[in-house]
Amino acid sequence: DGGITQSPKYLFRKEGQNVTLSCEQNLNHDAMYWYRQDPGQGLRLIYYSQIVNDFQKGDIAEGYSVSREKKESFPLTVTSAQKNPTAFYLCASTNPSGTDTQYFGPGTRLTVL
Amino acid sequence: EDQVTQSPEALRLQEGESSSLNCSYTVSGLRGLFWYRQDPGKGPEFLFTLYSAGEEKEKERLKATLTKKESFLHITAPKPEDSATYLCAVRGGATNKLIFGTGTLLAVQP
Repeated sequence: DGGITQSPKYLFRKEGQNVTLSCEQNLNHDAMYWYRQDPGQGLRLIYYSQIVNDFQKGDIAEGYSVSREKKESFPLTVTSAQKNPTAFYLCASTNPSGTDTQYFGPGTRLTVL
Repeated sequence: EDQVTQSPEALRLQEGESSSLNCSYTVSGLRGLFWYRQDPGKGPEFLFTLYSAGEEKEKERLKATLTKKESFLHITAPKPEDSATYLCAVRGGATNKLIFGTGTLLAVQP
């Protein structure tokens, strides 16, 4: 059963901590994305990767870091430099050679204590 | 500036009461308009992709249409299970990134 998984579903972070959100896909998609969703705002792009070992900053990359060592995996680290990290984080993937449609995972809700 | 505006922000319907959601966009060189459904606490679920003005797509009680400036998501005889937030996004412009609207929260009462 193909799809995108994100873990954990809920994550709590103390001030000054770095935390890593997991995103895995078995759709054989080349491109993967991280978005942040806040109430009353559209999804905002944090980072994206179109191919293994390469990634680009999105519109709000400050305070975040990513890696893309495997095609299936695109973890996001929220660092202590991110001033307001409490949000719903969504991972997506797409196959650029196809319809370009992005498919989303179930999301991780991060709360700063 | 590339932009997507959805209206209304919220819509309450009675079961069976048909209506439409609007997605207005400004982007140069549209390369696709996407509709998603999002339930509370979950990731968006893909519904439709439209590529050119005049194109229409249907799925159960939903029908999406596209013009050069906007898209409509028509909901015919909605049921309570259609209650969700509906998101619109466009791809195009200089960056070719996906730009999302803020969504329309639909509540269908029995």
